Order: sequence, then C-alpha cells, then structure tokens
Amino acid sequence: EAGVVQSPRYKIIEKKQPVAFWCNPISGHNTLYWYLQNLGQGPELLIRYENEEAVDDSQLPKDRFSAERLKGVDSTLKIQPAELGDSAVYLCASSARTTGDRNEQFFGPGTRLTVL
Amino acid sequence: AQTVTQSQPEMSVQEAETVTLSCTYDTSENNYYLFWYKQPPSRQMILVIRQEAYKQQNATENRFSVNFQKAAKSFSLKISDSQLGDTAMYFCAFRPSSNYKLTFGKGTLLTVNP
Repeated sequence: EAGVVQSPRYKIIEKKQPVAFWCNPISGHNTLYWYLQNLGQGPELLIRYENEEAVDDSQLPKDRFSAERLKGVDSTLKIQPAELGDSAVYLCASSARTTGDRNEQFFGPGTRLTVL
Repeated sequence: AQTVTQSQPEMSVQEAETVTLSCTYDTSENNYYLFWYKQPPSRQMILVIRQEAYKQQNATENRFSVNFQKAAKSFSLKISDSQLGDTAMYFCAFRPSSNYKLTFGKGTLLTVNP
C-alpha cells in the first residue's frame, strides 16, 4: 500500500513569491492534515480536513496561507506571498475515519521550503 | 490546553546498548493516547509505539517499550539493543480521545554510535 505522497520534496523561492505544496493521502483515508515543522521543533497542525471540508483551520494564517481539498482526496497548501519566516518543513498526514478512536496518523516525507 | 515536554534535546548511545528518552505531559483530560514517533534524516515520521491511558500495562514493540506513569504524567521510551538505524529525532506526542489533535514535544535527537 502506498504511503502519503508529497511533492515537491524541496522548494527554494524568493520572498514575496507564491508557492504551493501537494499531498496525496493514503487511499481511503478521509482525514487529511497539514502540519508546519520549524527547525528543532515538533510539528504543529495548520489545518485538518474531513473529506473536502476544512473542520479545523484555526491555526492557519489566513492572510497568506490557503488550502483546498476539492474532491476529498489530494490537497494543496498555498502560501502567497511567502515570507522569510515561512522557511520550514510542511508535513502532510492522513488517517482513516473510523468509529473507533485509535486513529493513527500516517505522515508523508514533507516539503522543505527555503525562502530567500 | 495540552503540553508535551521533552527535556533531552540530544542523546547518544553505543550500538547494542539501552537508552531511555524522557517525556512529560500536562493535561486535564482523563482519556487520551500517547505516542512516540521517529523521524529519521529522510523526514518520514513513523509511529514507533502508542499507549492508551486507560491501560495500566506498558506497551512494547520489539526492542521498544514505554514506562507510562499516569499519575506522574510521564511517558518514557526505552530502546534496547540500539541499532545504527535507530539514529533519528524522536517525538513524544499526546492526543485526547475526544479529538484528532496531536500535540508534539520538541523532540530528542538520538545518535547511535558504532
């Protein structure tokens, strides 16, 4: 079974430029998460989707960040315009939506963003 | 709000020896899960072991085991017979049973030396 796929793995851009990250979750996983991981820190949740609905976007900086999951499968996270402080790793994770609550999150390899 | 604290930014161990990574957490929840995740240099975060708070028995997965002390809010990870492939960042994480939100600690960088 394929894991969570993310692309690109690395991205270098200049500040004020837009950037987008793509994630394809594990097949059948209805819940998708985007995390921000700063250097030397643990991941922090940006947004969570249940199918195509963003059910928790309280930590997403909405002035410059946006996300979509139009068909309830793959998802795109966008930053426009990027700032120097956005340099970090952006992780995507997915989990199966079950009635039980042992809902393990499977992570992708992440996209390392460098803003110059 | 939940907090997870990992007080050891870095640790090292010789191959084949045993090492223990510490984690404490703070919560008012009674039902929750605790996790240890491994993140090798390739950055793929992998679940190592999980513990349900309602279970008194400590979880074990092959060479990995935990010491869960609910009253002390402590959740340490013991790695026995350390291998070079165990070199990675290790994150302790907490999730209430009532929702999906994972709260991570800052991580411990473990280096296994030959």
